[in-house]
Order: sequence, then structure tokens, then C-alpha cells
Amino acid sequence: QKEVEQDPGPLSVPEGAIVSLNCTYSNSAFQYFMWYRQYSRKGPELLMYTYSSGNKEDGRFTAQVDKSSKYISLFIRDSQPSDSATYLCAMSSISGTYKYIFGTGTRLKVLA
Amino acid sequence: NAGVTQTPKFQVLKTGQSMTLQCAQDMNHNSMYWYRQDPGMGLRLIYYSASEGTTDKGEVPNGYNVSRLNKREFSLRLESAAPSQTSVYFCASPPGWGSRTVYTEAFFGQGTRLTVV
Repeated sequence: QKEVEQDPGPLSVPEGAIVSLNCTYSNSAFQYFMWYRQYSRKGPELLMYTYSSGNKEDGRFTAQVDKSSKYISLFIRDSQPSDSATYLCAMSSISGTYKYIFGTGTRLKVLA
Repeated sequence: NAGVTQTPKFQVLKTGQSMTLQCAQDMNHNSMYWYRQDPGMGLRLIYYSASEGTTDKGEVPNGYNVSRLNKREFSLRLESAAPSQTSVYFCASPPGWGSRTVYTEAFFGQGTRLTVV
């Protein structure tokens, strides 16, 4: 079993839709939870991060962490064609090993 | 303000050939990482360097070697390339140990697309 599981998609939605992207994990030591966005043929770039449980909002994006269920989500409101990309969740812990564990990524396409 | 720069961007190798992927960061970070990205597998850590002069194995180190040349540069070497090493390779650099952001934002290069035939 992988430490982090993420549905690879692809996920196609119409412009303006609310998008929900999710990851589950098995390691209860994870404390930092991140979402990266990766455009085609580019390197990943950090979109949002949260520490421990709770919600964080940044514009049209909301990240949620439920540590009791080992489940994290990213919501995109009023989705735009420019949001079309692969979204990777990533997690890390204060273990001294500097390891970021990534999900496989979900490919999202927002149709105009 | 380049951030993380990788060279080359593309490379085709024959089985058994060797090559070195170069990575440089201009953010004065201590830590640097090498990942490979394969369809359905996500990003997998090959090697990392927590600080200048140190390197450690990640999840998939077999077939690779690394050198932390100085604080700026971290190279990845394939001594005898195999088709299984066909992948996209990313170098990444987080801010560094001791900062809260060490556990969050890793700055990535643009990637090297390597094909081994």
C-alpha cells in the first residue's frame, strides 16, 4: 500500500464548476500537507499548504485536512480553463529526513 | 531570479551510456533533492542533500549517484543507463532546515526528459 493515494483522473469539468480533489494517506506522522500544481511539461509549483488539521482558503482555492480520517482535499471554486493542470498532493513530517511524499497527481481539465 | 535551473532539458541515451544531470539553485538554500516522475507513479525521491557535503538515499536510488558540488549545485549521474531509467527528472530545493517552510515549499526546476533506448 502506498503511503499517499490519489485518484489519477482525468477529471473534466465545465468552466465555473466546483472541483474537489482528494488524497488519502496512511502515515499518522504527517503534519504538513501541500498541494502542488503542475502544468504540462513544467515543474510542480506550490499552490497551498496547511499544517495539521483544519481549513485554509486562498482566493478560489480551499485546502482541508482531516487527520482523524487521514484525508485531505483541495476545492477549486469557479474553475477556469487556466486551472487545467495536474494537481499533486504532498505530505511531510518533522522526521529529520526531509522527505516529501507525493501522490500520483490528478489531471484536471476545465472546459470553456 | 532563476530559482532552480536544470540542464539539459532533453536527452536521449543508448543503453549503457552514462550522463550527468546538472542542477543549480540561486536561493542560498541548504537542501536539494532529485526526483523522478513516471506516469502513474508520481514523484519519487532518488537522492537528497540536506546540506553542503551530505547526501542520502531516497526511495529509488539504485542506478544513480549524486554529488553535492557546493551549496549551489547538486548533480545526478547515471553510470550505465537502462531503459527503466527513462523518466522526467526534477531537481528541487526547499528553503532549509530550521525554517518552518522547510516542510512545505520545495522549488522545482523545469525538468529533464530522459529517454534511454
